[in-house]
This record gives sequence, C-alpha cells and structure tokens, in this order.
Amino acid sequence: GQQLNQSPQSMFIQEGEDVSMNCTSSSIFNTWLWYKQDPGEGPVLLIALYKAGELTSNGRLTAQFGITRKDSFLNISASIPSDVGIYFCAGYMDSSYKLIFGSGTRLLVRP
Amino acid sequence: ETGVTQTPRHLVMGMTNKKSLKCEQHLGHNAMYWYKQSAKKPLELMFVYNFKEQTENNSVPSRFSPECPNSSHLFLHLHTLQPEDSALYLCASSLDGLAYEQYFGPGTRLTVT
Repeated sequence: GQQLNQSPQSMFIQEGEDVSMNCTSSSIFNTWLWYKQDPGEGPVLLIALYKAGELTSNGRLTAQFGITRKDSFLNISASIPSDVGIYFCAGYMDSSYKLIFGSGTRLLVRP
Repeated sequence: ETGVTQTPRHLVMGMTNKKSLKCEQHLGHNAMYWYKQSAKKPLELMFVYNFKEQTENNSVPSRFSPECPNSSHLFLHLHTLQPEDSALYLCASSLDGLAYEQYFGPGTRLTVT
C-alpha cells in the first residue's frame, strides 16, 4: 500500500547540534506536513509545504518539498532539550484525500 | 492548545464494557477524523466526517462506531473491544475534507483488559 519511508528512526544528539531527517516515497505527493508529538500528547503541526521546491522555515525549523515531489526533509538548527519528541512527516498523494503518515523519527537531546 | 479537545484522556475498560470517546473542536472546521496510534506503527486513519457526513471508513471493525452530531463534535462508541485495540486514539479536524492541514487533539489512551 501507500507508504512513506521516514529516516532515521531515532537520533540521540548533543544540545546545540543541528538535526536533519527526511521522508521518501515511490509515489508523488502534492502536500507535505511535518508534525511533532510529545509523550502523551497529540501531534502538533510544525510546517506545511504545498509546492515542489518550496523551502519554509518556522523558527529554528526548516523544511523543504523535494523537487521530484517524492521526498521532503526537516532540519532543526541548534537543538535544545525541548526539541525532544517524535517527528512525523505526512503527505497527500495526488490521487487521494487521505493523509499518509511516516513512522516517525524519535529525537533525544543530551544537555 | 490546538483547539481540539478529547475526553477522557485515559480509559481502562474490560472487553464486555461499552464506553464512548468524545472529541470537540473550537476551530470552526467542517471535517473531523479518528485515528488509531499503536506502538511502532504509523498513524492509522479510522473514520472521516465531512460536514457531518461519514466519507471514509477505513475497514474498521464494527465494535468501533463513530457518531458526528454536528461539525464541532465527534464521538467514538466502543463495545466488546479486544486487548489489541489498546492504543492512543486521536481526533483531528481540518477546514473541510479537502483541506490539507489537520489539527490533532491530545488523544485518549485506551487500555482494554
């Protein structure tokens, strides 16, 4: 079925480091969304991308919609302890109104 | 605070019980969704309501029964659940069924004993 491959599965980094994670698919997507989920809470929308090549920032977060429309990445600069959580990519394919989620990247930040 | 609330936040129920989960959104949206989140699995879409009409049932067992009395409220009625139904149940809303940005509630952690 439809699938988003999100990597890495987990990251354990030092506070202050930059972080990069990505999502890829064999199918074309027309929208990419990036969410963060804290333990015991629902996902919170961080960034939405609507056009191929689009680069969007939200504070220390930057996300890009891949030019092939089959991938997206999220960068976090100068990580801080509150960045800890699970980051999910999600997207809509051209042919569907269902939001498809990646399996998440668990981020741990060492103070 | 995303504007989507869910109650209860935690629920423990036996397999013979009947319970309901409630979701309310204060965003003026017209589409609402139920998702299931199990450990080590991507979020699974269960149901979609658009302008109070159910537009998606993602092959969900009949022991889960949704209800959407108006665009602001969504319920998930549960009966004779199985232990494997234990999960975090998330409600989300969007402007309409074609809008891309979905906003999630905090979820209900369900444990079936």
